[in-house]
Amino acid sequence: DIVMTQSPDSLAVSLGERATINCKSSQSVLYSSNNKNYLAWYQQKPGQPPKLLIYWASTRESGVPDRFSGSGSGAEFNLTISSLQAEDVAVYSCQQYYRSPPTFGQGTRLEIK
Amino acid sequence: QVQLQESGPGLVKPSETLSLTCTVSGGSISSYYWSWVRQPPGKGLEWIGYIYYSGSTNSNPSLKSRVTISVDTSKNQFSLKLSSMTAADTAIYFCARAELGYYFDFWGQGTLVTVSS
Repeated sequence: DIVMTQSPDSLAVSLGERATINCKSSQSVLYSSNNKNYLAWYQQKPGQPPKLLIYWASTRESGVPDRFSGSGSGAEFNLTISSLQAEDVAVYSCQQYYRSPPTFGQGTRLEIK
Repeated sequence: QVQLQESGPGLVKPSETLSLTCTVSGGSISSYYWSWVRQPPGKGLEWIGYIYYSGSTNSNPSLKSRVTISVDTSKNQFSLKLSSMTAADTAIYFCARAELGYYFDFWGQGTLVTVSS
């Protein structure tokens, strides 16, 4: 299985500041034939299911605010929130879908400083 | 807007088989992959398996021998059976739509399943 490792495990950022979460895969999730990274990001608030934010590493899901962005390629990726809002407090997880079984990172808890 | 809703027992005894159903509304179950994902309390997400509307399935090798996923297109439902349940299977079980079988774009609210005698 491809192991997804996120850092940090938790992060506290001031309102209006930038938050960056890192995700590393144990092997590349870049498919060379189409040059796509098979990587998604999710946001999960307490008592709620995960919500898809980003897929193909950098494509924002419809309705997701543009302060959320995904970057990276190969085996290292970042999720960036450009200006943290109070409603962004959540756990964020990455997921690879390059190879079955799809696997998730352990999650990063984002809080307000 | 597609909506998914899990249904099934919240308590299962050790060694018994868990049966959950996911009802899809607001769209057809056809032409998509439908998945089960679980999350032990306070832990990360684990993919259990998926089924294509035509009936083809794939499941996590870590659970494969215990997992059965089926679909009923006439009812717009798909189901999970997980046998030989143990305390380690205690988790919130989510059903989700897997776009192209890849990432999960619509999720049910989840149902907590506890394994205890």
